[in-house]
Amino acid sequence: AQKVTQAQTEISVVEKEDVTLDCVYETRDTTYYLFWYKQPPSGELVFLIRRNSFDEQNEISGRYSWNFQKSTSSFNFTITASQVVDSAVYFCASGTYKYIFGTGTRLKVLA
Amino acid sequence: DVKVTQSSRYLVKRTGEKVFLECVQDMDHENMFWYRQDPGLGLRLIYFSYDVKMKEKGDIPEGYSVSREKKERFSLILESASTNQTSMYLCASVQSRGNQPQHFGDGTRLSIL
Repeated sequence: AQKVTQAQTEISVVEKEDVTLDCVYETRDTTYYLFWYKQPPSGELVFLIRRNSFDEQNEISGRYSWNFQKSTSSFNFTITASQVVDSAVYFCASGTYKYIFGTGTRLKVLA
Repeated sequence: DVKVTQSSRYLVKRTGEKVFLECVQDMDHENMFWYRQDPGLGLRLIYFSYDVKMKEKGDIPEGYSVSREKKERFSLILESASTNQTSMYLCASVQSRGNQPQHFGDGTRLSIL
């Protein structure tokens, strides 16, 4: 089955805390891609990152980092020193041109 | 930058009406998608199109149809709107099969009364 699971429905943290959003995927494909999107209160989905299934190198971009582990089928996303502007719904997705999305994690960062 | 434009941010219609949601992209993308987003369910694919006049059903096509007469435009049609179609509708496009990310419009929040 093709499936993306985001078990955390909602997370609340206080500003400057680190927070990790979990994503577990199931796929039949041998080559696939993993994505994270952010949906702020305004509603548009903003692309954050894409990883290839054959590249398990972790990535850091500013306060964001991603940990891809094929052995556990996980693609977790960490925000370091969270800010109020990080408050949004975050979606993990898997696929090639056609995606399966997780149900999203709502992150609330409190001042 | 890719621009995906949805014709309305908010729309209110009545049960039984025929409803058209329009989506236009300006980057000559081959693939276009319609999703609906509901709380706790994430994004679910309704239909997608990989070329002009070509379409495939997604996971929840019942009650919907689509039209793609021109490459840049992908329309979602609710033939006879029902209250359970009240939702946020998102359009997306992407260049081709491969590893590029889909680009999304701002969404249309549709209410069926």
